[in-house]
Amino acid sequence: LAKTTQPISMDSYEGQEVNITCSHNNIATNDYITWYQQFPSQGPRFIIQGYKTKVTNEVASLFIPADRKSSTLSLPRVSLSDTAVYYCLVGDPVTGGGNKLTFGTGTQLKVEL
Amino acid sequence: NAGVTQTPKFRILKIGQSMTLQCTQDMNHNYMYWYRQDPGMGLKLIYYSVGAGITDKGEVPNGYNVSRSTTEDFPLRLELAAPSQTSVYFCASSDLKTSGYNEQFFGPGTRLTVL
Repeated sequence: LAKTTQPISMDSYEGQEVNITCSHNNIATNDYITWYQQFPSQGPRFIIQGYKTKVTNEVASLFIPADRKSSTLSLPRVSLSDTAVYYCLVGDPVTGGGNKLTFGTGTQLKVEL
Repeated sequence: NAGVTQTPKFRILKIGQSMTLQCTQDMNHNYMYWYRQDPGMGLKLIYYSVGAGITDKGEVPNGYNVSRSTTEDFPLRLELAAPSQTSVYFCASSDLKTSGYNEQFFGPGTRLTVL
């Protein structure tokens, strides 16, 4: 199983760009990188998924270097409502089923005015 | 679509009691998962299923059982509840695409306390 390491917490202010990095040194060839957001007392919510280079959607960007040993979730212009825990997930969704999907420790992002 | 629904929302069990946590999804997803989340921790996979009739163990399966008789339902069974099973339980489902895209949709969770 690919183990992930993330910062425990990060602080930011409204309107700033936030970058959260996840380390996954033993990522396997077939593994994808997925990020989830979780608010208190709720289930996680999918943010973005990628395999290599850069992926962008309406809420975030995911940067993956060529060696794929790390990835960075970028949240542009955060607001108070982005205060949540962010999880980096590395696994093989095609052949590994659920057994190879591992949640990281999560990063508590706190956004202030 | 209601998405993923879980019942009950809360439950208190005595040590040694049994119960079933219900999970239903109406998105016709093949993949379903059960996670547990202890306070201040990340999610740990208990069991998962890639389709009706097929289940497999995750990271922390001891003390739990599952079944998948239909595409929609994936109940989690606790046979002899122990205090160590006090946690929040999340059910999720996903529809694996041939591209590898695999977005999991989570239910609201069941908060279980074993005393």
